[in-house]
Amino acid sequence: KQEVTQIPAALSVPEGENLVLNCSFTDSAIYNLQWFRQDPGKGLTSLLLIQSSQREQTSGRLNASLDKSSGRSTLYIAASQPGDSATYLCAPNTGFQKLVFGTGTRLLVSP
Amino acid sequence: DGGITQSPKYLFRKEGQNVTLSCEQNLNHDAMYWYRQDPGQGLRLIYYSQIVNDFQKGDIAEGYSVSREKKESFPLTVTSAQKNPTAFYLCASSIAARPLIYEQYFGPGTRLTVT
Repeated sequence: KQEVTQIPAALSVPEGENLVLNCSFTDSAIYNLQWFRQDPGKGLTSLLLIQSSQREQTSGRLNASLDKSSGRSTLYIAASQPGDSATYLCAPNTGFQKLVFGTGTRLLVSP
Repeated sequence: DGGITQSPKYLFRKEGQNVTLSCEQNLNHDAMYWYRQDPGQGLRLIYYSQIVNDFQKGDIAEGYSVSREKKESFPLTVTSAQKNPTAFYLCASSIAARPLIYEQYFGPGTRLTVT
């Protein structure tokens, strides 16, 4: 059974810092992995989808990497802004679009 | 605008009553999903549907039922058999569920409170 761990559970940084969010998963037989953002009381917004054959995927200030064999993915946020404050969730796809979610990293970026 | 709508945003029910949550998408996606989110836990899959008139149980289907009579609609009924129905419910869709590679998009969610 796939289990997903996200570290740290919470992170507080001043504006402008570069930061790394970590995601680890126990079953490396994944097809892809999605990173999402969730604002309080809202639905999930897809940030990046990285295929199992890829090592990196970039969108603006966001960069996701995937090391499938070691069961790890990282989300790098460059030059963080207060608007980046949210909970970030990773979800590997182990088949038939069944995503397994971690509990997320709650990020607070202070002005 | 294309997207996924869920209604209502907040729902209150008395214990013992069935309640139906609405999910509609105009993205022309074949696959639709229902998740439940509880504080301190990751999202958990309740049901998913790969195509009209077909659906499969997820990890926590007990006490829930769904239908998929139209491509754009995937309503979820929370029955009185669900022991802890108070939660945040999220609907999602993807272009397809085969051959596995497609991105999921989520609706804004419905917060259900049962007292």
